[in-house]
Amino acid sequence: KAGVTQTPRYLIKTRGQQVTLSCSPISGHRSVSWYQQTPGQGLQFLFEYFSETQRNKGNFPGRFSGRQFSNSRSEMNVSTLELGDSALYLCASSLGPQGSSYEQYFGPGTRLTVT
Amino acid sequence: AQTVTQSQPEMSVQEAETVTLSCTYDTSESDYYLFWYKQPPSRQMILVIRQEAYKQQNATENRFSVNFQKAAKSFSLKISDSQLGDAAMYFCAYRKNTGNQFYFGTGTSLTVIP
Repeated sequence: KAGVTQTPRYLIKTRGQQVTLSCSPISGHRSVSWYQQTPGQGLQFLFEYFSETQRNKGNFPGRFSGRQFSNSRSEMNVSTLELGDSALYLCASSLGPQGSSYEQYFGPGTRLTVT
Repeated sequence: AQTVTQSQPEMSVQEAETVTLSCTYDTSESDYYLFWYKQPPSRQMILVIRQEAYKQQNATENRFSVNFQKAAKSFSLKISDSQLGDAAMYFCAYRKNTGNQFYFGTGTSLTVIP
């Protein structure tokens, strides 16, 4: 079974631009979560989608948004990029649903650099 | 709010020796899940071991085992017979029983010395 895939793997953008990152979960997984990983802040939860609905959201500004499609693939969008948005963005999928004991499986991440 | 603390930013161990990575967490929940994830350099994060809070028995996966002390809110990872491939960043994570949001510690960078 294929693992979690994320595209693109590397991205360089300039301040003020917007970016869209994509995540394809493991087949059969319906929950997709997004995390921002930086050396200073570690792994911070952005949001989780399950069955096309955002179920949880972390403490990030509204510039960070996401969505999930009917095939469980998810996209994350960051508008008006700032230098501080430079990070590794990780996507994780799990079977869901709420209350389950299912662990999350992580993708390789998208390395975003904002200049 | 749930917090996860890993007080050891870096650890090192001689090959074939045993090392223990520490993790403490704060929660008011009685039912939850704890995880250790491993992130090798430039490679993706993988699950090492999982512990359900309602289970008193400590989880074990081959050379990896945990010491789960619920009252103390402590969840340490023991790696026995350390191998060069164990070198990685290790993250402790907490998840409530309800919801699918994970809370991660800041990680411990493990170096294995040949």
